[in-house]
Amino acid sequence: DVKVTQSSRYLVKRTGEKVFLECVQDMDHENMFWYRQDPGLGLRLIYFSYDVKMKEKGDIPEGYSVSREKKERFSLILESASTNQTSMYLCASTSDSGGLSGNTIYFGEGSWLTVV
Amino acid sequence: SQELEQSPQSLIVQEGKNLTINCTSSKTLYGLYWYKQKYGEGLIFLMMLQKGGEEKSHEKITAKLDEKKQQSSLHITASQPSHAGIYLCGAAGGSNYKLTFGKGTLLTVNP
Repeated sequence: DVKVTQSSRYLVKRTGEKVFLECVQDMDHENMFWYRQDPGLGLRLIYFSYDVKMKEKGDIPEGYSVSREKKERFSLILESASTNQTSMYLCASTSDSGGLSGNTIYFGEGSWLTVV
Repeated sequence: SQELEQSPQSLIVQEGKNLTINCTSSKTLYGLYWYKQKYGEGLIFLMMLQKGGEEKSHEKITAKLDEKKQQSSLHITASQPSHAGIYLCGAAGGSNYKLTFGKGTLLTVNP
């Protein structure tokens, strides 16, 4: 069965802390994504990666960075967490060119981050 | 950039009733995804449509993409409490990798 696993379901961090959100997929997918989901704003793309060590900014990259050292793992990093980064974070993956080739995009269970 | 508008924003129906959720795009859709989400959880893939006029069904849920590929509808027949949740449409526009989502439709099914 297809699996996208996010390491932490619930986190509480202090303002200014460095935060790592980890995502692992077991499907050998080339493409991985990080979204955040907020009430009234829907899902917004933060960063995506189409290959190991390759990354591109999404719509709201400010305050975030990412790391993709291995194909199966895509990490989202908050260098200095702020309260406006309190949100639900969702990781996703797909093979090849997801949307245009009709490949399913799979999501993880989500990580609830609260910054106090 | 592509924008997706979903309607209605929320919907309350009695168990057994049919319902339709719409998703309208500001640009031509190259691929339209429908997902379901339980509050606080991840997205569960329902269906993906690519061709104008395409229609797909899974159990009691049917999704269609119009001929012009700018609007999709999701129809649930004989709704059940298990259908309750947030329904999201997502679309690939001109880019292979970037998926844009609508803000979602919250469905409540009363027994």
